[in-house]
Amino acid sequence: QSVLTQPPSVSGTPGQRITISCSGGNSNIGTNNAYWYQQLSGSAPKLLIYRNNQRPSGVPDRFSGSKSGTSASLAISGLRSEDEADYYCATWDDSVSGHVVFGGGTKLTVL
Amino acid sequence: QLQLQESGPGLVTPSETLSLTCTVSGGSIRTTSSYWGWIRQPPGKGLEWIASVYFSGSTYYNPSLKSRVTISMDTSKNQFSLKLSSVTAADTAVYYCARRTSSDPIWFDPWGQGTLVTVSS
Repeated sequence: QSVLTQPPSVSGTPGQRITISCSGGNSNIGTNNAYWYQQLSGSAPKLLIYRNNQRPSGVPDRFSGSKSGTSASLAISGLRSEDEADYYCATWDDSVSGHVVFGGGTKLTVL
Repeated sequence: QLQLQESGPGLVTPSETLSLTCTVSGGSIRTTSSYWGWIRQPPGKGLEWIASVYFSGSTYYNPSLKSRVTISMDTSKNQFSLKLSSVTAADTAVYYCARRTSSDPIWFDPWGQGTLVTVSS
C-alpha cells in the first residue's frame, strides 16, 4: 500500500478534461515536488510532469500539473484516445532516511 | 542517444538471490550528471523504487528493501547491477533500470524496456 493515494480509475470522452488526484502527507508531497509518469500498455513509464507543473520537452501542453498542500493533481485537457494509460504520481519522502515513493497508479480509460 | 537494457534470469527459486544487470549504451555511466537506479512493478500493480547508485560509489536504498538489496556499478563494462536476496513470490515483478538526473531525484529518463522476473520453484 503506497503512501501516495490515487483513485484506481478515471474515465472521460474525447475532448473532455479530466483530473487525477494524488494525496500524500507532510513528509512527502507536503514538503517536496510532485512528479507524474505515464505508462502506456506494455511500455516503460515516461515522465510527464516534473517539479509540480513543469513539462519535459515534447510533452503536449494538454498535460498540466499542480500542487496544493499535501495533494497534487494531473489534468489532461482535450482528451485523446492515445491518452489511455496508467498514470503515477511520485515524490520524495523525507521519513526513514528519505526515498522515492510512487502512488498506486490511476487507469485512465477514454470512452 | 542513451539506452538501457536489463538482463538476467527470468526465473528465480524462492530463498535464492535475484541478480540483474543493466547495460548502458550511448553514454558513460561514469558521469556527474546521472544516478542509476532500479524500479520494479509487480504484475498488475504499481511502481516501487528499489535503489540508486552514483559513479562515486554512493548507494541509496528503499528502506523497505534495504536489508536484502545491493546495487553496484562496473564502469569498465558500463553496467550497473542489482542483487536481491532471500526472494519470495512477492518479489515477482518487471524490473526496470533507469537513469536519474543528479539534479532531480525523481526524474527517471530513459528507462530500459523492463525484464520480468518470476520467483517460483
